[in-house]
Amino acid sequence: TQLLEQSPQFLSIQEGENLTVYCNSSSVFSSLQWYRQEPGEGPVLLVTVVTGGEVKKLKRLTFQFGDARKDSSLHITAAQPGDTGLYLCAGVLGGNKLVFGAGTILRVKS
Amino acid sequence: DTAVSQTPKYLVTQMGNDKSIKCEQNLGHDTMYWYKQDSKKFLKIMFSYNNKELIINETVPNRFSPKSPDKAHLNLHINSLELGDSAVYFCASSQATRAAEAFFGQGTRLTVV
Repeated sequence: TQLLEQSPQFLSIQEGENLTVYCNSSSVFSSLQWYRQEPGEGPVLLVTVVTGGEVKKLKRLTFQFGDARKDSSLHITAAQPGDTGLYLCAGVLGGNKLVFGAGTILRVKS
Repeated sequence: DTAVSQTPKYLVTQMGNDKSIKCEQNLGHDTMYWYKQDSKKFLKIMFSYNNKELIINETVPNRFSPKSPDKAHLNLHINSLELGDSAVYFCASSQATRAAEAFFGQGTRLTVV
């Protein structure tokens, strides 16, 4: 059983569509991060959310941290082929230990 | 200019061999990590060092031994390699005051045959 459940596992959509990726846990995290990973590369940090209820926007990406700091979502508006990749959420536990979700593979078709 | 660099990028070796992966970061971070990413893309922490001191040691076979000669370097030595060790290994670094925001290397794809 994973500490962070991420869904969906796979997502294949057309360019211009909207999508949401979810990250859920029964544990409380001090903060939560979202990363994007492309084939053959390491994950790259997109955002860190710290406060319960916090919403952060990064161009067409909107990140939300749940009020209880147990869950988070990533919403992409008008997806582009360049958004294709593996999206990973990661919760921060004590000792700055990162626990990752299983990831969402996103494919945006033109 | 690479922030976190690890070598080699690819490593193919036979069962039973001993191999090392090297990692260096030029970000001035005080914490370094080794992660393992399996074939299903699941990323799991193996070790974490803060200022050369081991602070996280997950349930990893003792065939895996990290070594941090200074806070900019964290190497991973693996003894008696097994087929199940095949994976992508990522080195990462962060600044302890920055909520573990990690900068990852490009990864080392280890294949044990």
